[in-house]
Amino acid sequence: ETVMTQSPATLSVSPGERATLSCRASQSVSSKLAWYQQKPGQAPRLLIYGASTRAIGIPARFSGSGSGTDFTLTISSLQSEDFAVYYCQHFNNWPLTFGQGTKVEIK
Amino acid sequence: EVQLLESGGGLVQPGGSLRLSCAASGFTFSSFARSWVRQAPGKGLEWVSAIVGGGERTFYADSVKGRFTISRDDSKNMLYLQMNSLRAEDTALYYCARVSSSGWFFDSWGQGTLVTVSS
Repeated sequence: ETVMTQSPATLSVSPGERATLSCRASQSVSSKLAWYQQKPGQAPRLLIYGASTRAIGIPARFSGSGSGTDFTLTISSLQSEDFAVYYCQHFNNWPLTFGQGTKVEIK
Repeated sequence: EVQLLESGGGLVQPGGSLRLSCAASGFTFSSFARSWVRQAPGKGLEWVSAIVGGGERTFYADSVKGRFTISRDDSKNMLYLQMNSLRAEDTALYYCARVSSSGWFFDSWGQGTLVTVSS
């Protein structure tokens, strides 16, 4: 099983600032990595797939990078609606696994 | 617009069974693989099971293998999860998700149905 580890667990950021979230895989997943956003009481929403491709309707301030074992989600200028929990998920092999999440909170 | 609506959750005793359903609309159901993902209260996301379009291949997390069965009825646009031998650790919000045509990630999600396993 490929273990996905996200860091930090919690990120405190002021509105307008840049946020950088990390996701590390225990073995290479190539570029088969997706990012999701989840707000309280809501289902997750797909943000990024293929490590760097934005899903339909996702603002350009969200960007993803990386390949192999190390990945980054960057939110260039945090808006109020971006405060949420973010999960990475690999889809390179079975079983599919998620990271434990990074909570982005208001500083 | 893609819509996924789960149902069938509830309170069940340890060792009991439950069948979850997911009704889909807004897309050609048979063309897409489907999946169940769960989230225990206050915890992260855990992939549970997946089924390819047509239903000839299924996949399971080790934690549910042998106890849960995923199935689909393309004529009714329905996805199911039969859960047997339920344990306290199966308590979670169960999401139905559509698998993208670009890979095994999830481009649409339902709102979830809550399963509570407790005596």
